[in-house]
Amino acid sequence: EIVLTQSPATLSLSPGERATLSCRASQSVGTFLAWYQHKPGLAPRLLIFDASNRATGIPARFSGSGSGTDFTLTISSLEPEDFAVYYCQQRGDWPPYTFGQGTKLDIK
Amino acid sequence: EVQLVESGGGLEQPGRSLRLSCAASEFTFSRYEMSWVRQAPGKGLEWVSYISKTGTIKYYADSVKGRFTISRDNAKKSLFLQMDSLRAEDTAVYYCAREGDFSDFDLWGQGTLVTVSS
Repeated sequence: EIVLTQSPATLSLSPGERATLSCRASQSVGTFLAWYQHKPGLAPRLLIFDASNRATGIPARFSGSGSGTDFTLTISSLEPEDFAVYYCQQRGDWPPYTFGQGTKLDIK
Repeated sequence: EVQLVESGGGLEQPGRSLRLSCAASEFTFSRYEMSWVRQAPGKGLEWVSYISKTGTIKYYADSVKGRFTISRDNAKKSLFLQMDSLRAEDTAVYYCAREGDFSDFDLWGQGTLVTVSS
């Protein structure tokens, strides 16, 4: 089973700042990696698929990069609505699909 | 509106059963692979089960294998999760999720809460 490790666990930033979230896989997943935003009480929202492609309706301030075992989600300039928990998810070797443990992005 | 709506959650005792349903709207349900994903209180997301477009291929997480059964009815645009031999550790919000072209989950329901407790 591929393990995804996200860092940091918590990231405290202010609106307008740049956020960089990391996701590392225990073995290569190619580019079969997605990023999700999850707010309490709401459904998770797909942000990035295939490592670097923005999903429909996702603002351009969100970008994804990486391949193999190291991936990054960048939010170029944080908006108030961006404070949430972010998860990466792989399907490079499945089953099972696996998720990272999440990075909580909170307001400084 | 394109959406997934789960139902069937609730409070059940250990060892008992629950059946979750997920109704799809405004898209061609039969063209998509589907999964169930759960989130236990204070924890992250955990994939539970997968079903192919026709229902012939099914996969399960080790934590539920032999106890949970996924199924679908394409004519009724519905996904199901039969949960037997429930355990306290099955307590979670259960989401149904549509699989996109790159094996991501591009559409999620709002979730249904399952609580297993005596």
